[in-house]
Amino acid sequence: QKEVEQNSGPLSVPEGAIASLNCTYSDRGSQSFFWYRQYSGKSPELIMFIYSNGDKEDGRFTAQLNKASQYVSLLIRDSQPSDSATYLCAVNTNQGGKLIFGQGTELSVKP
Amino acid sequence: GAGVSQSPSNKVTEKGKDVELRCDPISGHTALYWYRQSLGQGLEFLIYFQGNSAPDKSGLPSDRFSAERTGGSVSTLTIQRTQQEDSAVYLCASSLASQNNQPQHFGDGTRLSIL
Repeated sequence: QKEVEQNSGPLSVPEGAIASLNCTYSDRGSQSFFWYRQYSGKSPELIMFIYSNGDKEDGRFTAQLNKASQYVSLLIRDSQPSDSATYLCAVNTNQGGKLIFGQGTELSVKP
Repeated sequence: GAGVSQSPSNKVTEKGKDVELRCDPISGHTALYWYRQSLGQGLEFLIYFQGNSAPDKSGLPSDRFSAERTGGSVSTLTIQRTQQEDSAVYLCASSLASQNNQPQHFGDGTRLSIL
């Protein structure tokens, strides 16, 4: 079992819809969870982080964490074509600052 | 302010040569991380520094890989006797500290191609 798992996609949504990206992790002791966006040929860009169970909202983005289910998700409201990218879920497993990344979900927002 | 700076942005070299990759973290960030992203692969942790110390080197693939950090700032990742499987994008990130709740910010990476 991979430590951090994401559906590879591609996930295709129409412009204006809600995109839902999911991630599960295996280490129950994990404390910190991060979402990065990576455009093709570019480096990862931090968009959200969450530490506590529940929802955290920032503009059109909402991160959701359920530690009991070992599940973290990212919702993007009012999706725009510019949101088309690969979204990486990263988990800190309490081994210093080391992040374990999922394989990423490719999102395509169609005009 | 300035972000994480990596150089060179691209490096093409022949198999068997040594290469040195450089990372300059965000000013004031004490923690520095090296990752590798190969085609079709996820981001793979290599090593991290807190100050000049490297508490976790567990991700270095072989003894051909080494890294150092001096003055608590710039870090270099050295790959000796490069092999074709070393071809990847090498990404550096920094954070305020190595505590697990500190977000990491990435540089633009060095794209390494071994011929």
